[in-house]
Amino acid sequence: DAGVIQSPRHEVTEMGQEVTLRCKPISGHNSLFWYRQTMMRGLELLIYFNNNVPIDDSGMPEDRFSAKMPNASFSTLKIQPSEPRDSAVYFCASQKLAGVSSYNEQFFGPGTRLTVL
Amino acid sequence: GIQVEQSPPDLILQEGANSTLRCNFSDSVNNLQWFHQNPWGQLINLFYIPSGTKQNGRLSATTVATERYSLLYISSSQTTDSGVYFCAVVWNTGNQFYFGTGTSLTVIP
Repeated sequence: DAGVIQSPRHEVTEMGQEVTLRCKPISGHNSLFWYRQTMMRGLELLIYFNNNVPIDDSGMPEDRFSAKMPNASFSTLKIQPSEPRDSAVYFCASQKLAGVSSYNEQFFGPGTRLTVL
Repeated sequence: GIQVEQSPPDLILQEGANSTLRCNFSDSVNNLQWFHQNPWGQLINLFYIPSGTKQNGRLSATTVATERYSLLYISSSQTTDSGVYFCAVVWNTGNQFYFGTGTSLTVIP
């Protein structure tokens, strides 16, 4: 199994530019999560999807952030316009749901290190 | 509020020593995982352990759900064990992970 795949691994951009992060979950997993990790705030959940449907986006910082999951094998997290305070490592994770609630193991991708200058 | 607390926050060990990391959580959980974030930033699954005891090589974990804590044991530590260890829980009332603040482990040769 290839695991969760994220791209790019590193992104450096200038303030005001649009940034798109990509994630391919593990095949067969039907729940996908986007997290952000910073020194100040640790690991934070931004949004998660069950069966391609956004369930909870309360962690998304503001309207500049948006996420989509057009199919079971692909998701994007977009920041437009980007700001220096968005600099962080963004992780994608996936798991296989078991019934209504989530009881199964969650697997993380390698992360995208974003630097906004 | 609902919390996930890990202790100690920092730990320095001589290679070969044993250690115990603790995770306390403030409410009932239906999922708990331990992760190791290596110095390259990768989050590696160690244990999926909402209850009971599991062992994998030099590592083992125990979760006592009724008393709301989990322990991660590292025996005969190696320099490659260095990194940050996270506990993450899913509350009974929800289905998303909440991470503790982590224990930063440094193993020196």
